[in-house]
Amino acid sequence: EPEVTQTPSHQVTQMGQEVILRCVPISNHLYFYWYRQILGQKVEFLVSFYNNEISEKSEIFDDQFSVERPDGSNFTLKIRSTKLEDSAMYFCASTRQADPSGNTIYFGEGSWLTVV
Amino acid sequence: GESVGLHLPTLSVQEGDNSIINCAYSNSASDYFIWYKQESGKGPQFIIDIRSNMDKRQGQRVTVLLNKTVKHLSLQIAATQPGDSAVYFCAENQGGATNKLIFGTGTLLAVQP
Repeated sequence: EPEVTQTPSHQVTQMGQEVILRCVPISNHLYFYWYRQILGQKVEFLVSFYNNEISEKSEIFDDQFSVERPDGSNFTLKIRSTKLEDSAMYFCASTRQADPSGNTIYFGEGSWLTVV
Repeated sequence: GESVGLHLPTLSVQEGDNSIINCAYSNSASDYFIWYKQESGKGPQFIIDIRSNMDKRQGQRVTVLLNKTVKHLSLQIAATQPGDSAVYFCAENQGGATNKLIFGTGTLLAVQP
């Protein structure tokens, strides 16, 4: 079964440092997402991306965050200057179409970010 | 504000019993719902979905029921197995241009052997 892959699985970074989380969505998918999950809490939407631009973002996704699809296969989330409260599991997801009917959103295994 | 939430944070069942996990949603305009299973340290895994024009949908050992009158969603797992132990989230798909998901808070299902 095709899957969304994410790297790294775990990263520890100093507060104020830049972090890039990488994702390879499923190859024929067109819509890409980042979600995050703070330990013990629910999964929260961050941003959606389609046709090489952000289609929607949440209040969490402030100016410190950016996304990019640099080469047609990778989809990255950059946090420019990490804060302690950015510590969370970050999930990449993708789907083939926006119409939810029959178009499952697939999640990666997550990248666990620890900011110290 | 609009939200999707769960009634029970933890559910403990015996192996072989049936499990029922509940979810309440508040956005009456939502028309698509999904149940995800999340094992420790892993990403959400799709289990089953249902559109608002249905009130029941069955999969392999799982059934989702939707009651739009009271805005309630449930996941039934038949003959629960130890491998079913995980956190289960309901999610509301708001559709539109982005297919964004709004997740509930999750229920931990603990299956006792």
